[in-house]
Amino acid sequence: QVQLQESGPGLVKPAETLSLTCTVSDGSVSSIGYYWTWIRQPPGKGLEWIGYVYHSGSTNYNPSLKSRVTMSIDTSKNQFSLKLSSVTAADTAVYYCARRIAVRPVYAFDFWGQGTGVTVSS
Amino acid sequence: AIQMTQSPSSLSASIGDRVTITCRTSQGIRDDLGWYQQKPGKAPKLLIYGASTLQSGVPSRFSGSGFGTDFTLTISSLQPEDFATYYCLQDYDYPLTFGGGTKVEIK
Repeated sequence: QVQLQESGPGLVKPAETLSLTCTVSDGSVSSIGYYWTWIRQPPGKGLEWIGYVYHSGSTNYNPSLKSRVTMSIDTSKNQFSLKLSSVTAADTAVYYCARRIAVRPVYAFDFWGQGTGVTVSS
Repeated sequence: AIQMTQSPSSLSASIGDRVTITCRTSQGIRDDLGWYQQKPGKAPKLLIYGASTLQSGVPSRFSGSGFGTDFTLTISSLQPEDFATYYCLQDYDYPLTFGGGTKVEIK
């Protein structure tokens, strides 16, 4: 079954850019109907949808983060990535990558990475 | 953005109890709602999509219902492995939004 694995620095300095990559195995990021998504969870809090990137490269971001977020996809490496600029302590969270299937009638996050903790601190 | 109101935020229950969690949305979302279970230190796990369709491999003691703005997740007979936090997610419109979570604890 599909597996997702996040990777990237666990510590980022304030005002710098957080960069994470999600590597997909046993599945293809080029598949139609799947939206490759980032979700985060601050310590002790709930889940926040950050946005998605589609195989075509099209993206959709949460308006609350839109000015700072960039997502991209590399079909040759079967990876997709997240960049979040100008980070502050409020961006400290566990970041999950996930696959969202959006083929009616199924809309759901069916596979998730294990999550990677990112701390913003000097 | 569609606001999600999930209740209760926490509950205590015993093994074998019937547990009900509700989620209300600020506007109608048809049946585009999912339920996810999260255990400490783990990624969320899909339980139900389309408000009432059980994901493959999920025990039948879990069920979901609702349409429009009011939704319910029911665990018919709580098992030890069900102690976790549960989240609803509206999958109808962007930005996708989650409920605040319901932590199910052992009584």
